[in-house]
Amino acid sequence: GQQVQQSPASLVLQEGENAELQCNFSTSLNSMQWFYQRPGGSLVSLFYNPSGTKQSGRLTSTTVIKERRSSLHISSSQTTDSGTYLCAMERGANTGKLTFGHGTILRVHP
Amino acid sequence: DPKIIQKPKYLVAVTGSEKILICEQYLGHNAMYWYRQSAKKPLEFMFSYSYQKLMDNQTASSRFQPQSSKKNHLDLQITALKPDDSATYFCASSQSGGYAEQFFGPGTRLTVL
Repeated sequence: GQQVQQSPASLVLQEGENAELQCNFSTSLNSMQWFYQRPGGSLVSLFYNPSGTKQSGRLTSTTVIKERRSSLHISSSQTTDSGTYLCAMERGANTGKLTFGHGTILRVHP
Repeated sequence: DPKIIQKPKYLVAVTGSEKILICEQYLGHNAMYWYRQSAKKPLEFMFSYSYQKLMDNQTASSRFQPQSSKKNHLDLQITALKPDDSATYFCASSQSGGYAEQFFGPGTRLTVL
């Protein structure tokens, strides 16, 4: 089964609305990371967040390791936020292997 | 300036041929990785290296061989190419191998005809 489940699969917002993206893990994990994938492909690290809450501008990530979940909150969305948001987990042996979810495709309309 | 360089950006190959994908990082990191993203599949981990030593290999095929000539280089040689190898290949790096934030390169999009 899928070890990393992201929801929703896609989301459409009007500019200015907020978004909450979820990531659930089927196994225990050591850490997790959120990425933004631009149309065109490159990945940008948003948060490395093994536990707790981190904020960067309009983005907030909250990870609860014991509950095997993480969320990404986007406030006051902008059209430039459109793209794919990926979460990934690291577990097991200390090899750096990340296991990714399928992503949430976000479209923000003006 | 880009901190992780991947070359080439696009690559077209014929079935059965061999190609090398180049990756160089200028972040001073000690660990490097390769991932693959195929259509409609999540990003898949392939290899991890730390201090130029293999830490993990999740590829089923020996046709994929990483090559590390320097600490900040991790190239990927692919032999006997198949159409199923068509994908975008991403190189990444982190300060240490494990428990560290990973940073990704721009990717090499490989098409095998």
